[in-house]
Amino acid sequence: EDKVVQSPLSLVVHEGDTVTLNCSYEVTNFRSLLWYKQEKKAPTFLFMLTSSGIEKKSGRLSSILDKKELFSILNITATQTGDSAIYLCAGIPSNTGKLIFGQGTTLQVKP
Amino acid sequence: NAGVMQNPRHLVRRRGQEARLRCSPMKGHSHVYWYRQLPEEGLKFMVYLQKENIIDESGMPKERFSAEFPKEGPSILRIQQVVRGDSAAYFCASSLGSYTDTQYFGPGTRLTVL
Repeated sequence: EDKVVQSPLSLVVHEGDTVTLNCSYEVTNFRSLLWYKQEKKAPTFLFMLTSSGIEKKSGRLSSILDKKELFSILNITATQTGDSAIYLCAGIPSNTGKLIFGQGTTLQVKP
Repeated sequence: NAGVMQNPRHLVRRRGQEARLRCSPMKGHSHVYWYRQLPEEGLKFMVYLQKENIIDESGMPKERFSAEFPKEGPSILRIQQVVRGDSAAYFCASSLGSYTDTQYFGPGTRLTVL
């Protein structure tokens, strides 16, 4: 059965810290991995990763995929209180629109 | 460009009633996906639709649940004879083209069954 596992499940840091969120996957015919940020409402798209070893970056956030070891990491540098959210990782197999989500990592950034 | 719209945002039903959840995809998007988030659980895929077609309903419960995406109008997720276990947040996502495209999510409908 396909599955995606995120760690840690929750994390508390202080503003300015750097955090690394982990996502491992076992997805049949894996095609891509996506990261979303979920605050009180809609999950907001962050990154889609398809190729191994190529870092994607957006401001203080960056992510990379390792297709050999079947994992991805999401880095957030110089964290701010506005980064507090649930971060979701999802794998997507080929030939399907079905996103397979992990449990999420709840990040709390304290002032 | 308006994002994915869902209504209602909150819905309260008594056991045995019907719930209808609506989703209007982003402009130009013709692929719609429904996910359910139960309390303390992750998002689970339910169904994937294109206009007038169900592409994948492997995550949909066999009974009481149905979905449609007509040629005109929003996609509808319908739950008949709701039970307390149906209480959850139901999210809709849409993508521009095929399933290879990024899925953008709506704000969700929080269903509470009394």
